[in-house]
Amino acid sequence: AQTVTQSQPEMSVQEAETVTLSCTYDTSENNYYLFWYKQPPSRQMILVIRQEAYKQQNATENRFSVNFQKAAKSFSLKISDSQLGDTAMYFCAFMNRDRDDKIIFGKGTRLHILP
Amino acid sequence: NAGVTQTPKFQVLKTGQSMTLQCAQDMNHNSMYWYRQDPGMGLRLIYYSASEGTTDKGEVPNGYNVSRLNKREFSLRLESAAPSQTSVYFCASSEAGWAERETQYFGPGTRLLVL
Repeated sequence: AQTVTQSQPEMSVQEAETVTLSCTYDTSENNYYLFWYKQPPSRQMILVIRQEAYKQQNATENRFSVNFQKAAKSFSLKISDSQLGDTAMYFCAFMNRDRDDKIIFGKGTRLHILP
Repeated sequence: NAGVTQTPKFQVLKTGQSMTLQCAQDMNHNSMYWYRQDPGMGLRLIYYSASEGTTDKGEVPNGYNVSRLNKREFSLRLESAAPSQTSVYFCASSEAGWAERETQYFGPGTRLLVL
């Protein structure tokens, strides 16, 4: 069975700093997607970034980028020039591409951006 | 374009009462999902519907029933609420077209308190 592990329950960084959130996963599959979702205090779940396992190039979305290490089954999220609005829970998630649509989520990392 | 909407936003129930959480999406998505979010547990899938007319159990289906009323609507019913069902419930949807099926869009959530 697939599992997703986020080892950092909570983190705090100063505004404008760069922060990296860790995520590891376990799977025997070869074809899958990985995601980072952001959940601000409003509780809405927002897709931040998506990575396709067959792509070696790391996905980027403006200030957000990932470090995808397929062999190590690691998928970390880097937030550059952090902003107060980045304060949120961040969930790493995995989905098998070949079977069904179910997503497996990690337990989340609570990120505080300090002024 | 409202995306995914959920009602109610907040509900208090007494043990043994029943209620239905409503979810609707206007993105013409085929797949819809119900998750619950508990502290330290991440998001867990309750039920999902891959297409209109079909429903399947997720990770934690006990105590819940679902109805895929039509393509737009997917409701979650608690027949006899228990304190263990106190949680935040999220509905999500995704496009069944193969290229987009893996991205899920979430509603704003329903906070349920069972006394």
